[in-house]
Amino acid sequence: GAVVSQHPSWVICKSGTSVKIECRSLDFQATTMFWYRQFPKQSLMLMATSNEGSKATYEQGVEKDKFLINHASLTLSTLTVTSAHPEDSSFYICSASGSGGVDTQYFGPGTRLTVL
Amino acid sequence: GQNIDQPTEMTATEGAIVQINCTYQTSGFNGLFWYQQHAGEAPTFLSYNVLDGLEEKGRFSSFLSRSKGYSYLLLKELQMKDSASYLCAVRGEADKLIFGTGTRLQVFP
Repeated sequence: GAVVSQHPSWVICKSGTSVKIECRSLDFQATTMFWYRQFPKQSLMLMATSNEGSKATYEQGVEKDKFLINHASLTLSTLTVTSAHPEDSSFYICSASGSGGVDTQYFGPGTRLTVL
Repeated sequence: GQNIDQPTEMTATEGAIVQINCTYQTSGFNGLFWYQQHAGEAPTFLSYNVLDGLEEKGRFSSFLSRSKGYSYLLLKELQMKDSASYLCAVRGEADKLIFGTGTRLQVFP
């Protein structure tokens, strides 16, 4: 199947700092990328949908000024957690959607963020 | 509103068969997915149903009834490595995946 990478795989930062997470589709062009957050023992919650070259669409309750999403190319989307706080500590997973097919969302390996 | 329900936890014995149920109520339906997720890892795709009926794929099968808003994932010949969380997800509008709460399956020897 298609490959999606995320970087970094884990990050620890101090409260108040910003953290950038990259999501790349390695062998296909992703017209749409999705960002999810998963707290321990819970399911994935969609945060936002980003389309290349346009503004991201955020789900209800997700602060767009806190979680900045940039989808500058067909293979790269970034999520920046601004002024991170301990409650932002979570597992962030991206997925990428290509031009169609059964399994149209391919998941990255996830990024574990810990805010001290 | 959107609602996808699964049992929280299940246990089974190695070599046995287990069925994980999923019921859903969503605005828009463009298929139902099952994913497997091991702790600390991203979900991996298991199956996809968009029409009613059973889809078989090796030890795993998935069933869908759109009129009942119901699906199940059937795992046969359970192995210890099948211990994981199993996520039911409905693809709705704008290709969004809405995930269920996930079912944590523990397989015992």
